[in-house]
Order: sequence, then structure tokens, then C-alpha cells
Amino acid sequence: NAGVTQTPKFRVLKTGQSMTLLCAQDMNHEYMYWYRQDPGMGLRLIHYSVGEGTTAKGEVPDGYNVSRLKKQNFLLGLESAAPSQTSVYFCASRTSATYEQYFGPGTRLTVT
Amino acid sequence: GDSVTQMEGPVTLSEEAFLTINCTYTATGYPSLFWYVQYPGEGLQLLLKATKADDKGSNKGFEATYRKETTSFHLEKGSVQVSDSAVYFCALNNAGNMLTFGGGTRLMVKP
Repeated sequence: NAGVTQTPKFRVLKTGQSMTLLCAQDMNHEYMYWYRQDPGMGLRLIHYSVGEGTTAKGEVPDGYNVSRLKKQNFLLGLESAAPSQTSVYFCASRTSATYEQYFGPGTRLTVT
Repeated sequence: GDSVTQMEGPVTLSEEAFLTINCTYTATGYPSLFWYVQYPGEGLQLLLKATKADDKGSNKGFEATYRKETTSFHLEKGSVQVSDSAVYFCALNNAGNMLTFGGGTRLMVKP
């Protein structure tokens, strides 16, 4: 049982490039979340999903897109990366029975 | 809307000292409350939780009591260790889809 995994762990992009971050969970959780963590700002919710095929905007969705084609996977896409998207990105998941979320190890993204 | 306020860090303590990290919240109704811990270079891990007033969550020597009258959920530990050095986040869920996090408090424990 690997829990929540994220790929890649590190990535460096040039401004304007695109990339996709993958989150996978093997706990059969219905809910999945993408956050970004910036120094001094805690965690901010980007997008989330309450089930396969559904997505919703969080607090800071601009510049990002997501897809939940399979229950176990939640993809975060950056179509045209900007330096302001330099951050550490965390994925999380939970069941519908409780509110506690389980987090992945994070992806450190640098946009130059 | 809902919000969580934590004490500013960093908090620096000597090993075996008593720890308190203050957390207060603003929310309607009866939210569930959580403390998460983030060790260097890692993701967040659930440390403890409480789901109703006067509940006490506890784990690994840490405790926090859900105080409805003061809208607080302060984290305490009687004797900290160097291995407790981390960032601690207070959070709430108010029967919705999202967690609301505080800004985090960095704890540094010196030998």
C-alpha cells in the first residue's frame, strides 16, 4: 500500500513550457486535491475532485487545469508555465467517510 | 468564511521543554479540527484530530483539546525531542469538501 504518490519529484521548466504532474492513490479514495505551498503562505488549494470524471476550482485555480479520468489518478497541468508558478505542489486524497486528508510527498517545480 | 490563525514562528525550544502552539479558528457550526505535521522535505502527515467540542486528540505524546467556547485547538507536548522539529499546521473542515489551513508554525528543538 503506497498511499499517495506523486511524479515527478523535481522539475525545472522554462517560461512558456507545459507539463503535467501526476498524482496516484491506491486507497480507493473518492476525493482528491491539488495544493501549492509557498514560503510564508501555508497551503493553498488549486483544484479538487469529488469523484471520477469531476473537478472543481479551489482558491488559486488560474493557470492550471486538472483531469480525473480514473478514480486513482488526478493530473495537474500547466499549459504555459510562469515564474509565479514556482512552488512545491502537494496532492492529497480522502474517503467520503471522514474529512482527514492523506498527502503525497510533493513535487518541487521551478520555472525560470 | 472559515479561517484558522496560528501563532507565528519559529518556535525554538530546548530538548525536554514544554511545547504549546496556539491555534484559533473562525467558523459557523461545529467543524472538525486537525493538526498536521510536515517534516523537512516531506508531505503533510495527520498528527491528531477532534470532531466535536471537548474532544481531545492525541498522538505521539502530542495533545489538543477542541474548545468551542474559546474557538481554539492548541497543540501541546510535555517534553519535546529534537526529532519533533518540523512545521505544524492547524486545519479545519466545516462539513465541506475542503480543509482550511493555518499558515503553519515552524518548531526547532535544540539538543
